[in-house]
Amino acid sequence: EDQVTQSPEALRLQEGESSSLNCSYTVSGLRGLFWYRQDPGKGPEFLFTLYSAGEEKEKERLKATLTKKESFLHITAPKPEDSATYLCAVQASDRGSTLGRLYFGRGTQLTVWP
Amino acid sequence: KAGVTQTPRYLIKTRGQQVTLSCSPISGHRSVSWYQQTPGQGLQFLFEYFSETQRNKGNFPGRFSGRQFSNSRSEMNVSTLELGDSALYLCASSFAGGPNEKLFFGSGTQLSVL
Repeated sequence: EDQVTQSPEALRLQEGESSSLNCSYTVSGLRGLFWYRQDPGKGPEFLFTLYSAGEEKEKERLKATLTKKESFLHITAPKPEDSATYLCAVQASDRGSTLGRLYFGRGTQLTVWP
Repeated sequence: KAGVTQTPRYLIKTRGQQVTLSCSPISGHRSVSWYQQTPGQGLQFLFEYFSETQRNKGNFPGRFSGRQFSNSRSEMNVSTLELGDSALYLCASSFAGGPNEKLFFGSGTQLSVL
């Protein structure tokens, strides 16, 4: 049973066309929800951590929000350089030890074309 | 400040061989986690080390092992390689691996088993 589900699997946007990526989770005892960006051939790069429902964080064209069961990554007026795979991960206390462990979704592959 | 360094970048091995991967964490970080990334399963947690002790372990067979040295550098070993071990192996570091700590990833070692 997947604990973290991301949708859509792939998304193609024209430059400037805003959209949202979804991350839903089924764990309880959420300690934190993390968003990462991964470029081809590289490791994930940290974007945001959200801790409680209602929390929002922004960085340039990205804004992450959190509810009790899901998180959204909103991309406003994206540019081609925003093309990457966006990964969502959770740390939860109901799955045993959390030390160094994140549960990742499969990611959303975003392509922004000029 | 240097990031997480993984060596080698690429490896090609044949079935039945063993392999050792190396990871140098960010200076001052004492927790090192290892993840396996495949197209089918996404990122899966292998194990976490802190102060030369394995504190957390994922659901992988005993062929997968690791260790950490006194300078926090870590190695991961896979014995009796199988075709299904072909993957990107990612190392991540954090200050202490505790709850809510974000992980900093290296670029990974791409292992191909023929």
